[in-house]
Amino acid sequence: KAGVTQTPRYLIKTRGQQVTLSCSPISGHRSVSWYQQTPGQGLQFLFEYFSETQRNKGNFPGRFSGRQFSNSRSEMNVSTLELGDSALYLCASSLGQPGNTIYFGEGSWLTVV
Amino acid sequence: AQSVTQPDIHITVSEGASLELRCNYSYGATPYLFWYVQSPGQGLQLLLKYFSGDTLVQGIKGFEAEFKRSQSSFNLRKPSVHWSDAAEYFCAVAPLVGAGNKLTFGGGTRVLVKP
Repeated sequence: KAGVTQTPRYLIKTRGQQVTLSCSPISGHRSVSWYQQTPGQGLQFLFEYFSETQRNKGNFPGRFSGRQFSNSRSEMNVSTLELGDSALYLCASSLGQPGNTIYFGEGSWLTVV
Repeated sequence: AQSVTQPDIHITVSEGASLELRCNYSYGATPYLFWYVQSPGQGLQLLLKYFSGDTLVQGIKGFEAEFKRSQSSFNLRKPSVHWSDAAEYFCAVAPLVGAGNKLTFGGGTRVLVKP
C-alpha cells in the first residue's frame, strides 16, 4: 500500500510569506504528526492530529499551525516566514495508539530567502 | 523532561567491520524505544523498536539493538557493515501512555563507510 505522501517536495519562499504543506497518511492511519528537521536543532516535534483534533503540540510559535481533514489528510501552515524556518518538514502517520509504528514521508524541503 | 542522547555525532567504519551506535535516554519510566535511519535527502525509515520482553531486538537490514534498563541505554549494532549502511541514524523514544505519538529524537549519528 502507498506510504506517507508529502507535497510539495521542494519549495522556495520569501521572508514574510506564508506556506502550506500537505500530507496524505497511509490508508487507515488516523494519527498524523509533523516534525521540523534542521542541522542546528535536529528533529523537533511540531504537532500531532488524531481524528481531526490536535492531540499534542511542540514548542513552536503560533505561526506554525496545522489541521486534519475527515479523510485524515493533514496540512501545516507557516505564516510570516523567517529565514530560520528553512528546514525539512517531515510528516508521519500511524494508527494512533501508543507504541504503534510511526511511518515517515520523504519530507518537504522549505527554503526561505 | 525526557531527552535522548546520542554521544557520537560521526562514526567512520570500514566495510565489513562491526558497528555499534550508542543511545541513552532520560525518562520517568521505560518508554517505547526506536531506531530510525535516514539516507541523504530522504525521510526516516524504522529499523526496529522495543516495547517490552526480550531485551535484544532484531530489526531490518541485519540490525539489532539491546535494551539495558540499568544503563538507560538502547544501543544499535550490526555485525558487518555494507557500503549502503552509510546514513544518519536516530534513536527516539515515545511515552508508554498518553501523549499520543510524540517522538523525542536524539541528535543523530552520521555513519560513514570506508571501502
